[in-house]
Amino acid sequence: DSGVTQTPKHLITATGQRVTLRCSPRSGDLSVYWYQQSLDQGLQFLIQYYNGEERAKGNILERFSAQQFPDLHSELNLSSLELGDSALYFCASSVGAEGSTGELFFGEGSRLTVL
Amino acid sequence: GENVEQHPSTLSVQEGDSAVIKCTYSDSASNYFPWYKQELGKRPQLIIDIRSNVGEKKDQRIAVTLNKTAKHFSLHITETQPEDSAVYFCAAHNTDKLIFGTGTRLQVFP
Repeated sequence: DSGVTQTPKHLITATGQRVTLRCSPRSGDLSVYWYQQSLDQGLQFLIQYYNGEERAKGNILERFSAQQFPDLHSELNLSSLELGDSALYFCASSVGAEGSTGELFFGEGSRLTVL
Repeated sequence: GENVEQHPSTLSVQEGDSAVIKCTYSDSASNYFPWYKQELGKRPQLIIDIRSNVGEKKDQRIAVTLNKTAKHFSLHITETQPEDSAVYFCAAHNTDKLIFGTGTRLQVFP
C-alpha cells in the first residue's frame, strides 16, 4: 500500500459526459501529480500541484482540469468525454515541490471507460 | 520540453540471463533519472534512481548507468527471475516535470 488513495477504482460512462476523479496523497506529501496511461502506452504527464498551486503542466487537454484543495486532496475533472479518453488515470504524490527530491508514490489508479 | 525515448519495447530473456533497457533524453538540464516497475494490473513502483552527479548505481541485481554527455541511461538486471517480469519505465526529471519513457515489457521465461 503506497498510502495514496484514488477513487473511484472503475468508472464507466458515455461520450459527452463529465467525471471527477479524486486523489488523497500520502500523509505529509505536498505534491500531487496526475498521469494518464492508455492501453499499452506509457505514463503521460498531465499536471502537478504543490500545496494547492499548479506547479507544472504537461499534455493536458483543455477539456480536462484539476485542482488541489487546502486539505491537499486533488481532483481531476474530465469533461465532454470522448472514446479516446478511456484510460487508467494515476495520481502520485511526493514530499517536495520537485520530483527530484525523491520517489513518486502512485495510487492504484482510476480506470475510466467511455462508451 | 523533455522527451524520453526507451528501447526495446519488449524484451524476452531466459531465467538467469541479463536484461538491459536503454533510454535517451533530450534536455541536458534533466538531473534525476528514476526507474519504475509496473507489474500487471498494479501501480508503478520505484526500483532504483540515479542523479546527474553520479555515473552508476547498483542495488543487488539491478544497476543503472548514466552518460550525461550522450544523454542516455540504462537499466541492467542480472540473474533475471520470473518475478522480474513486468513493464519497466525510465523517466527524466526536468524542473518540475517527471517525464516517462514508453515502457519496456520484460518477460523472463523459466
